[in-house]
Amino acid sequence: AQSVTQLDSQVPVFEEAPVELRCNYSSSVSVYLFWYVQYPNQGLQLLLKYLSGSTLVKGINGFEAEFNKSQTSFHLRKPSVHISDTAEYFCAVSVREKETSGSRLTFGEGTQLTVNP
Amino acid sequence: DVKVTQSSRYLVKRTGEKVFLECVQDMDHENMFWYRQDPGLGLRLIYFSYDVKMKEKGDIPEGYSVSREKKERFSLILESASTNQTSMYLCASSLRGVLSYEQYFGPGTRLTVT
Repeated sequence: AQSVTQLDSQVPVFEEAPVELRCNYSSSVSVYLFWYVQYPNQGLQLLLKYLSGSTLVKGINGFEAEFNKSQTSFHLRKPSVHISDTAEYFCAVSVREKETSGSRLTFGEGTQLTVNP
Repeated sequence: DVKVTQSSRYLVKRTGEKVFLECVQDMDHENMFWYRQDPGLGLRLIYFSYDVKMKEKGDIPEGYSVSREKKERFSLILESASTNQTSMYLCASSLRGVLSYEQYFGPGTRLTVT
């Protein structure tokens, strides 16, 4: 079974500062990795995904994440945050399957990013 | 764009009541999911369905049941609501196969059981 740990429950930063949200996973098989974002009073939406290939993946709104297999990590970064980035961010993992009618996602606990002026 | 709608944004029910949460998606997705979201616990999978009339238990199915009579609709049922079921409930849908990892979420239903 796989699990996901988000190392920080709350991350406060000032506007235009860089930010890193940390995510570690455990799995004995190959995985797909995701970051989802939840803005206040909304459902989750996909921010970015790692399926294969380049370990550095870019997502929406200037976010990027780096897959590190040896560290089993998938940290999310943004070089300069805006007030509008204030939201809860969830890391998730899905196990690769040869044939699947559906993939289950296992989510981390979430990290609340608060960007202050 | 995929749209996933949930019947209520806020719901208040009394202990012991039977509660129905409805979810509808408009993109012909085969897979549908119900999660509950609690602070510090992230999202936990309650039930999911890969096809009409099919259902599988997730990680926390106790106290819940589901119904999927039509492809676009997936209902979560609390047979006898309890205070520990006060939570945010999120519905999601996805395609089948290699794209099934990308789930589309509804806005959520915040349920309070008193």
